[in-house]
Amino acid sequence: RKEVEQDPGPFNVPEGATVAFNCTYSNSASQSFFWYRQDCRKEPKLLMSVYSSGNEDGRFTAQLNRASQYISLLIRDSKLSDSATYLCVVNMGNYGQNFVFGPGTRLSVLP
Amino acid sequence: EADIYQTPRYLVIGTGKKITLECSQTMGHDKMYWYQQDPGMELHLIHYSYGVNSTEKGDLSSESTVSRIRTEHFPLTLESARPSHTSQYLCASSVDRTGSPLHFGNGTRLTVT
Repeated sequence: RKEVEQDPGPFNVPEGATVAFNCTYSNSASQSFFWYRQDCRKEPKLLMSVYSSGNEDGRFTAQLNRASQYISLLIRDSKLSDSATYLCVVNMGNYGQNFVFGPGTRLSVLP
Repeated sequence: EADIYQTPRYLVIGTGKKITLECSQTMGHDKMYWYQQDPGMELHLIHYSYGVNSTEKGDLSSESTVSRIRTEHFPLTLESARPSHTSQYLCASSVDRTGSPLHFGNGTRLTVT
């Protein structure tokens, strides 16, 4: 079993749709959580950190459920520019920073 | 905006050549990392460093080596490049504090012919 798992995708949605991504992690001692987006042949870029109380940044909402070891990302009113691969990243905290990446979920927003 | 730089951006080189991929950050981050990523595939950690004179191998076995003589500089070297080394190499850094994210450079796309 992988340490961080994500919806396999791809997700193909029309502009304006709401889309949700799910992520689960195996290590209950994990310390911090992030969503990154990665465009084709580019580096990953931080989309948002995920806090225990949940957090929102414009059209993006992230939730964390420590009991279920589950993270989610909700994108509302999706835009063409949201097309990318979304990476769930968990810092498992072994010996300091130990970032574990999920395999990513590809999103295509269609006109 | 993160200040972490990688050079070259693209490199095409012949088999057997020695190459060094440069990575520098101006943020004073103690922790630096090298990831390898093939197109459409997952990122794999190949090296990391917790500070000056600290280097460790990552999860993915790699024939490359790294050094950390200065905080801001974390170069990766391949003594003898092979076609199997063709990939994208991504450098990242982070603050030594729980909750701090990774900041990535824009990557080096290496092709070994």
